[in-house]
Amino acid sequence: QSALTQPPSVSGSPGQSVTISCTGTSSDVGSYNRVSWYQQPPGTAPKLMIYEVSNRPSGVPDRFSGSKSGSTASLTINGLQAEDEADYYCSSYTSGSTVVFGGGTKLTVL
Amino acid sequence: EVQLLESGGGLVQPGVSLRLSCAASGLTFNRYTMNWVRQAPGKGLEWVSGISARGDRTYYADSVKGRFTISRDNSKNTLYLQMNSLRVEDTAVYYCAKDMAWNLGYGMDVWGQGTTVTVSS
Repeated sequence: QSALTQPPSVSGSPGQSVTISCTGTSSDVGSYNRVSWYQQPPGTAPKLMIYEVSNRPSGVPDRFSGSKSGSTASLTINGLQAEDEADYYCSSYTSGSTVVFGGGTKLTVL
Repeated sequence: EVQLLESGGGLVQPGVSLRLSCAASGLTFNRYTMNWVRQAPGKGLEWVSGISARGDRTYYADSVKGRFTISRDNSKNTLYLQMNSLRVEDTAVYYCAKDMAWNLGYGMDVWGQGTTVTVSS
């Protein structure tokens, strides 16, 4: 149950786009479309932003999108806003009938 | 409004037991898989355990298997986590989280505010 691999940090200016990668293996991301993304501002509980690779829950802006290629999933945020600054985590279902999270990525809006 | 409210956290010594509870409201509790997710101070999220909608299937991370037991009482809309043989490394905020589906891993769309467990001598 090794954690999924995410870059520790990414940054962008308001209005720009950023992409956060999430690399797993054939035992998790590569075999299942049960990949989710969560946003966690400091001191708050996580919030679901993307589920099943590319679906947005009601209320999540369409600036947020998800995709997957092989064993790597990606979260793209278009038109960056100051309120997007937060930690972002990916997660995946695994062949061991568990869930594994990525190590998290800190997004800084410059 | 859908709400999850955790309770039962506290400061305990290594080796002792603790039981966390999560009371759900505003949802049809018995339709969804439920999870416990923890976050150690300054660290990332770690999935701990999950339980199917009917409670007939349970799932655990290797780090807690054999020490923690997840359960639910659908008549009381409550999720539990029995934690035995606690270790210093179990220190974390523990979140209760609802899965989007009756099965595991589809995405956790409702989270509680968390309850803090501190294991220290």
